[in-house]
Amino acid sequence: DAGVIQSPRHEVTEMGQEVTLRCKPISGHNSLFWYRQTMMRGLELLIYFNNNVPIDDSGMPEDRFSAKMPNASFSTLKIQPSEPRDSAVYFCASSLRRGNEKLFFGSGTQLSVL
Amino acid sequence: KQEVTQIPAALSVPEGENLVLNCSFTDSAIYNLQWFRQDPGKGLTSLLLIQSSQREQTSGRLNASLDKSSGRSTLYIAASQPGDSATYLCAPKEGTASKLTFGTGTRLQVTL
Repeated sequence: DAGVIQSPRHEVTEMGQEVTLRCKPISGHNSLFWYRQTMMRGLELLIYFNNNVPIDDSGMPEDRFSAKMPNASFSTLKIQPSEPRDSAVYFCASSLRRGNEKLFFGSGTQLSVL
Repeated sequence: KQEVTQIPAALSVPEGENLVLNCSFTDSAIYNLQWFRQDPGKGLTSLLLIQSSQREQTSGRLNASLDKSSGRSTLYIAASQPGDSATYLCAPKEGTASKLTFGTGTRLQVTL
């Protein structure tokens, strides 16, 4: 298996632009998570899905952030409009929702908003 | 709200030493706890998952222990090697919910 695949690997954009991050979870996994990592705050859970349904989006910082999972093999995290404080590494992770299953992470998207 | 603390924040040891990384969490009602490794510029890799009913879990030179009642877990690395240099994070899973809460990590450097 190729693991969790994220794209793009790096994204540099200007303040106010729309940013879309993409994730393909491991085939067969039915839980998907979006995390954000910064030096100041560490790893923060933004939102997670079970069976393509958003379960907890309490970590989404503002209405500027939205996430979708149209099917079991694809998810997007969108920021519109982007701001410099959104600069971070965004990770997608997936697991089997059976309780005691390991979490597998993608390589992340390094986002820089100028 | 679950809070996870890892001590020390950074650690440098010579090759061959045994070492212990500590993790404490405030809400003991956890389902399991995972230890992850993160290399610079990379994602996280799960090293060990220890269930709430277990006391220990071992994989090669790594051993994780869990004392759920006191809200503590340790990761023991035996005979450390330069390739073990990375940041190690612990993450308890809350009850039956799917989400994990991550500690801030311990940055380990193993020197020659």
